[in-house]
Amino acid sequence: QQPVQSPQAVILREGEDAVINCSSSKALYSVHWYRQKHGEAPVFLMILLKGGEQKGHDKISASFNEKKQQSSLYLTASQLSYSGTYFCGTSGGSYIPTFGRGTSLIVHP
Amino acid sequence: NAGVTQTPKFQVLKTGQSMTLQCAQDMNHEYMSWYRQDPGMGLRLIHYSVGAGITDQGEVPNGYNVSRSTTEDFPLRLLSAAPSQTSVYFCASSPTDRGYTFGSGTRLTVV
Repeated sequence: QQPVQSPQAVILREGEDAVINCSSSKALYSVHWYRQKHGEAPVFLMILLKGGEQKGHDKISASFNEKKQQSSLYLTASQLSYSGTYFCGTSGGSYIPTFGRGTSLIVHP
Repeated sequence: NAGVTQTPKFQVLKTGQSMTLQCAQDMNHEYMSWYRQDPGMGLRLIHYSVGAGITDQGEVPNGYNVSRSTTEDFPLRLLSAAPSQTSVYFCASSPTDRGYTFGSGTRLTVV
């Protein structure tokens, strides 16, 4: 069953922040985050494993709340290069992710 | 180091035809998966493999077969193409607890 992402779309100006949420109806073992630009393949951002951790690099970070079966991706001081569709992928007991429908992020100058 | 290589990049099939989408990785990854991407539907898992000789079904396996005879190769076979199989297909590989590396995709049209 696909995880549910919200919002479906976000429009920002450069420098603004955004949060993308991902929730699952089943117990989670891992959460993946990917970004896909139009016409290209998805690119891996980060993976969070069971244990309620938070990860990040540069201005993109994520949290994982296994009790609530939720994860959130935080984009801080957004740049034009952040534009794209963001997918979360969740797995219940393996590293095989099932992906949500995606969140479209558009960053304007 | 080529990563994940998918061929062909584009394909047009007639209804009822069969074909194989090729996927090869040179990173010695144990896990490989096939996804299809349709507008508004995200990436849906077709089949996956956790090692040579081991495959299993994903969310939308009907009409597709896979095999994994080597660590490197994971072909996807369409048995009898239908217009509903018009999609972009991605192959991806992963070394278990790391993220997936995706191939560049195959755009398939069934007429």
